[in-house]
This record gives sequence, structure tokens and C-alpha cells, in this order.
Amino acid sequence: SQQGEEDPQALSIQEGENATMNCSYKTSINNLQWYRQNSGRGLVHLILIRSNEREKHSGRLRVTLDTSKKSSSLLITASRAADTASYFCATDFTGANSKLTFGKGITLSVRP
Amino acid sequence: NAGVTQTPKFQVLKTGQSMTLQCAQDMNHEYMSWYRQDPGMGLRLIHYSVGAGITDQGEVPNGYNVSRSTTEDFPLRLLSAAPSQTSVYFCASSPREALNYGYTFGSGTRLTVV
Repeated sequence: SQQGEEDPQALSIQEGENATMNCSYKTSINNLQWYRQNSGRGLVHLILIRSNEREKHSGRLRVTLDTSKKSSSLLITASRAADTASYFCATDFTGANSKLTFGKGITLSVRP
Repeated sequence: NAGVTQTPKFQVLKTGQSMTLQCAQDMNHEYMSWYRQDPGMGLRLIHYSVGAGITDQGEVPNGYNVSRSTTEDFPLRLLSAAPSQTSVYFCASSPREALNYGYTFGSGTRLTVV
């Protein structure tokens, strides 16, 4: 399978702490995306980073991409209870812009 | 509101029955996809389409058919339902030039096959 693999599978932190989630993949990509899924809901797009970018910010989110290591990290700063959700990385492999491949997800719990 | 609309939200089928999951988007997106989500498996791509009249298979296409006669609609047909198709199904769409945009997902259809 070409899907990305997230690490850790589950993460529990205190409100106000930072949460770091990692994603590794196997082959060259066009871009890598992170999504959030609240319980019982659809996925929501958070941020996209292209293969020629190394870091991107969006509000409290910071994403890094290391194409030499085929890995990405999502950092959520100053976490809130509302950040409790599952987080997925999705990769757009070179030449397959129409096909996103998802990892299995990370369950983040933020304790109030 | 603009977005991806999936119907129905819940469905129970008997083994061997057929049905169509509906997906419609009003954002004029070229790309549309169907995924299934199972516990511990993440999302797996069933079928996708890059435009009206064009469809292709994803990772787990067996037992499912799709068609794309219009830009807006991308129905998923279960030909003969099996318990292994019990899952949550998500439809998603994206503009062709998705360099700064991700996919927009529907709210899902929870299907149980008994």
C-alpha cells in the first residue's frame, strides 16, 4: 500500500500543551495534506503542503515536510479541548493528483 | 450552503440487496471520490472521477460501480450487498487545480449489511 502512516496512533495531552503528530510515506508526492475528523463527522481539510515547500503555517497549525526522509509533522500549539479529534495525513502521489491516499489516523485527546 | 451532500445518512440492507448512495456537490469541482472508512483501516479509495464521463478504480473497487454523467453528481452503486461492505462511506470533491485546496468531504453514509 502507498498510504501514509501516522505516528503515534493515539495521543493524550493537557489543554495548553502542544501536540505533535507525524506521518511517513513511501513514494514521491505532489503534496501532503492533513485532515481532522470529529467523532461521527466527515473529514475537514486543515492544511496542504506542496513537495517543494518545507514548512507552512495556518493559525495554531504548523506543518513541516522532509521529502528526503519522506515524512511530515503536524504541530498544534496551545491545544484546546475542541482539538480532540482524529487526524489523518493524506498523500497525493506524483502523477495522481486526483487520488488522495489516507493513513489510518491519529486519535488526539486534549484533557481540559 | 455550498458543499458535498450525501444521502442517505443511514441505511440497513439485507445481504444480496442493491442500492445507490447519492453524492452531489455544487462547487463545480472536477474531481470526485468515494472512500470507505472502517475501524483501524483509515480511509480507502473505492472509485474516483476526474470529470464528467471519466471514472476509474481505486484501492477497493470490487462490488461497487460508479458513473459520472454530470459534474455535480457521483453516485455509488452496491450491486449485491455483502456484510463485508458494512462501513461508513464518504464522498469528496476537489477542484482540478487543487494546489492550495484540499478535498471537501460529505458527512457520510453509515451502511449496515445484515
